[in-house]
Amino acid sequence: SQTIHQWPATLVQPVGSPLSLECTVEGTSNPNLYWYRQAAGRGLQLLFYSVGIGQISSEVPQNLSASRPQDRQFILSSKKLLLSDSGFYLCAWSGKGYEAFFGQGTRLTVV
Amino acid sequence: GQQLNQSPQSMFIQEGEDVSMNCTSSSIFNTWLWYKQDPGEGPVLLIALYKAGELTSNGRLTAQFGITRKDSFLNISASIPSDVGIYFCAGQGFGNEKLTFGTGTRLTIIP
Repeated sequence: SQTIHQWPATLVQPVGSPLSLECTVEGTSNPNLYWYRQAAGRGLQLLFYSVGIGQISSEVPQNLSASRPQDRQFILSSKKLLLSDSGFYLCAWSGKGYEAFFGQGTRLTVV
Repeated sequence: GQQLNQSPQSMFIQEGEDVSMNCTSSSIFNTWLWYKQDPGEGPVLLIALYKAGELTSNGRLTAQFGITRKDSFLNISASIPSDVGIYFCAGQGFGNEKLTFGTGTRLTIIP
């Protein structure tokens, strides 16, 4: 069966520090991969999605970037975090059907 | 990015009551999905709908794909405490790789 792993679960980082969140999927090949951000009590904002290795589409211009170095690995990065980057970050995958499955999320607090 | 209009934004009900929520879009969708998110966790897929007019149940949950392809409905019968959470609809258009999420309905059960 397919599983998705996302880490770390929580992270506290100072303003101006770099960020790297990692997501991996097991049990499937060539998945579509997504990064979402959720502000407290709010909906899901799509940040990046990828349909294949090295193929990244950005939905919202910001100081975040994403990379897909391997088929089942998706990384969210920042060179310098802002206070406004705080939030709940969710990785998700889907097959070539349309159902997306989410990781457990990373709670990022920028202080 | 585009978002679906989901209503109501929040609901306060008593245990045992039935719940109805809906999602509307200005665009036609090929697929409708309904998710539930518990606090601090990623959303979990509840029901997937693929055909206009389709009515699908999952235990006490029933969802429908609107005939116009621009809306979907979720009903929960005889609510119980574990139904508390945020419910999201999501839709995908024809030939579109990414899901568009609704703004969420927060369900609270009053003791």
